Amino acid sequence: EIVLTQSPGTLSLAPGERATLSCRAGQSVRNTYLAWYQQKPGQAPRLLMYGASTRATGIADRFSGSGSGTDFTLTISRLEPEDFAVYYCQQYGSAPITFGQGTRLDIK
Amino acid sequence: EVNLVESGGAVIRPGGSLRLSCAASGFIFDLYGMSWVRQAPGKGLEWVSGINWNGGNTAYADSVKGRFTISRDNAKNSLFLQMNSLRADDTALYYCSRGVDNNNWFDAWGQGVLVTVS
Repeated sequence: EIVLTQSPGTLSLAPGERATLSCRAGQSVRNTYLAWYQQKPGQAPRLLMYGASTRATGIADRFSGSGSGTDFTLTISRLEPEDFAVYYCQQYGSAPITFGQGTRLDIK
Repeated sequence: EVNLVESGGAVIRPGGSLRLSCAASGFIFDLYGMSWVRQAPGKGLEWVSGINWNGGNTAYADSVKGRFTISRDNAKNSLFLQMNSLRADDTALYYCSRGVDNNNWFDAWGQGVLVTVS
């Protein structure tokens, strides 16, 4: 199975700053088949991105995704207070589907 | 509005069985694959099992293969997970999720149901 490693484990930033979250795969992810999710405490995950760079319906354009092969990035251009949460990447290029361990984005 | 509501969670002894249900509404259920994703307390997400639109194709994580069975009833807009031979490491919040593009990513999630094996 493809192991996804997210870094950093925790990122502390202030509102208005730019956030860069990394997701590295243990082997190449076929066809950029990578999604990103946001999870707030006590809530279910919410889909942000699929196909590495396509925003899901209703997702603000301050969220962007990039990458291919083994290295993927989720960027939040200007952090809003509601963006502080845990973020997970997920690959679906190879069975079984796997998730990264998450990056916690904290308010500094 | 898409709505997924899980039920059936409980505290269960190791070796026991449990059946989770997920009631779907707000969309045409039999147009979508569905999956179960779990989250152990304080941990990350783990895909557990998926099923295609008509139930003809199922898949399981190695950690549950042979113990869990996913199924669906399109007439009742419902998804199920039969869990047998439960172990302590099956303790988690189990989410029902709607799959997109051959059940590859998940654009709608329930609030989850807690299964505690102890």
